[in-house]
Amino acid sequence: EADIYQTPRYLVIGTGKKITLECSQTMGHDKMYWYQQDPGMELHLIHYSYGVNSTEKGDLSSESTVSRIRTEHFPLTLESARPSHTSQYLCASSTGTGKETQYFGPGTRLLVL
Amino acid sequence: GENVEQHPSTLSVQEGDSAVIKCTYSDSASNYFPWYKQELGKRPQLIIDIRSNVGEKKDQRIAVTLNKTAKHFSLHITETQPEDSAVYFCAASKSYGQNFVFGPGTRLSVLP
Repeated sequence: EADIYQTPRYLVIGTGKKITLECSQTMGHDKMYWYQQDPGMELHLIHYSYGVNSTEKGDLSSESTVSRIRTEHFPLTLESARPSHTSQYLCASSTGTGKETQYFGPGTRLLVL
Repeated sequence: GENVEQHPSTLSVQEGDSAVIKCTYSDSASNYFPWYKQELGKRPQLIIDIRSNVGEKKDQRIAVTLNKTAKHFSLHITETQPEDSAVYFCAASKSYGQNFVFGPGTRLSVLP
């Protein structure tokens, strides 16, 4: 079934650790996004990609980086996690061809101690 | 750039009553307006959308209206049920590769 997958779903980690949040989609979509969201609060765009080898920073300043080596895969990396990074991270994708509906993954809840 | 405002931030209604959430946008070139519902602990999911060539769209108990002149659009939920309780986000975008700008969200509580 076409969907967006995120792993891990929950992560508790110590300050200073490097982490990578995985996102993959089987929707065949070109565009992918990362949002940061405190539960039930605003969605903040932190990174997006139009396609392979394309990455852009979003509206919210973020200390994370992303890569897009394969169409279906858009991982997010924090080189040195801090307590201020504690949040939920949502991955999304869209076709990018005019029908711009975004479909969201289930999210990763990150707690940095 | 685009700015989307959403009101109210919280809304409580009695079961069976109607709920209305309003959004305004700033960029007159925006032409696609989706609404997402996010239940507690779940991902945001598209519930209805409207394009600028249409003034109103309905899907069972939910409807969206768009006023391009005033640059605002609204979500209407009739005969509310407890399962309608969630956070609702509006968004605006221009077609062909432009990112969404989301509103800050409305927390709807339907009281039994």
